[in-house]
Order: sequence, then structure tokens, then C-alpha cells
Amino acid sequence: RKEVEQDPGPFNVPEGATVAFNCTYSNSASQSFFWYRQDCRKEPKLLMSVYSSGNEDGRFTAQLNRASQYISLLIRDSKLSDSATYLCVVPPEGGSEKLVFGKGTKLTVNP
Amino acid sequence: DTGVSQDPRHKITKRGQNVTFRCDPISEHNRLYWYRQTLGQGPEFLTYFQNEAQLEKSRLLSDRFSAERPKGSFSTLEIQRTEQGDSAMYLCASSRWVNEQFFGPGTRLTVL
Repeated sequence: RKEVEQDPGPFNVPEGATVAFNCTYSNSASQSFFWYRQDCRKEPKLLMSVYSSGNEDGRFTAQLNRASQYISLLIRDSKLSDSATYLCVVPPEGGSEKLVFGKGTKLTVNP
Repeated sequence: DTGVSQDPRHKITKRGQNVTFRCDPISEHNRLYWYRQTLGQGPEFLTYFQNEAQLEKSRLLSDRFSAERPKGSFSTLEIQRTEQGDSAMYLCASSRWVNEQFFGPGTRLTVL
């Protein structure tokens, strides 16, 4: 299994839809996970951190399933402004400080 | 603006030339990271500094790449004898804690 693997997408959804992305990871000892958002030709920005079973922030919910080694990001009532690439991020093994990014899942919310 | 800044934002160079990029982190952040991102991929880790010490380097960082952070503040990334495969977005990030990294706008390098 790769260090981190994401749904390739792209996802095209209408405004108001609920959409979910999954991400699997290989390091069973990982304690923290992140979702970053990256707009076209911009830098990644931290969207959510997941340290235990999950985290919720408004329309966004991140969940962690340690047994199956995956995390998910759920976006409810999607807005046009949610259109972006969503990057799943896990820390690697061995106490390294580098973050390992997935390839990203592109979301387009259509009017 | 108190975020991470990078200079230049764009660089076009000919194959074989040397280029240097600069990153100014958020002032209270002691950790600084360099990543490289190509189209359709997530950022790939290159190297990491804690204060002025370079503590980690990726195998991606060939001997043509060197990074410094001489006073524990700004950092430079130099690429010598550039190759077309070096064309990418070079991202700098800084953090106080390992888990919350803030990225700069990046330097887009095009090697002709």
C-alpha cells in the first residue's frame, strides 16, 4: 500500500450536494492526519486536522477509521467556492517531520 | 502581510543555468520546509530546517540542490545546472509545530 492514496476524482457535483472523498494510508502508527485545500495555481492551505476519530467544522466533517486505515472528508451543502483540489496528508513513519501528501482530489461544484 | 513569502514568484531559465529561490517564513516559526509540486501531483518533501539546522533531506534532493537557512530566519534553495525535469512549483512552508504548516505562494520554475 502506498503511504497515502486518494480517490483520483474529478468530482463534479451540483450546488447543495453532499460529497465525500476517501484517503487510505499505510502507516498504522500515524496519529494525526490533515486535509489541505489547494485552489488552482495557489498554495495548499490547511482545511482540517484529524487527531482522533473525527473532526467537524461547519459543513465539513473529517472522519478517521483506524481499523481500515482510511480518512474521509465530507462536504455538505456544497458551494461554488468549494471548488478546489483537496489533499490528504499524513505524517510518515519514524518520527520524521515531513508531511506526505496525496495526489489530491479535484472537486468542481456547478451552479 | 505576516504570511510566508517567496521570491521570485516565477523564474524562467535555460537548461544548465543556476537558480536561487528565497523563502521568508512567518517570523515566530522555527521550522521551515521546502516542497516541490508538479502538475497533477501533491507537494513532495525536499528538506526541513529547525532554526538554522538542516535536519532532514529527501532522496529527491540530488547533489545539484542545496538549501540553507544561515540565521534561522529566511532560507534559500539553489538548483545548479538546471534540467528540464526541474520545472515545477517550489513551495516553502513554515510552522511552529510540525503538524500545522503554512505555505507560501510558491516559485514556479520553468527550465527551457
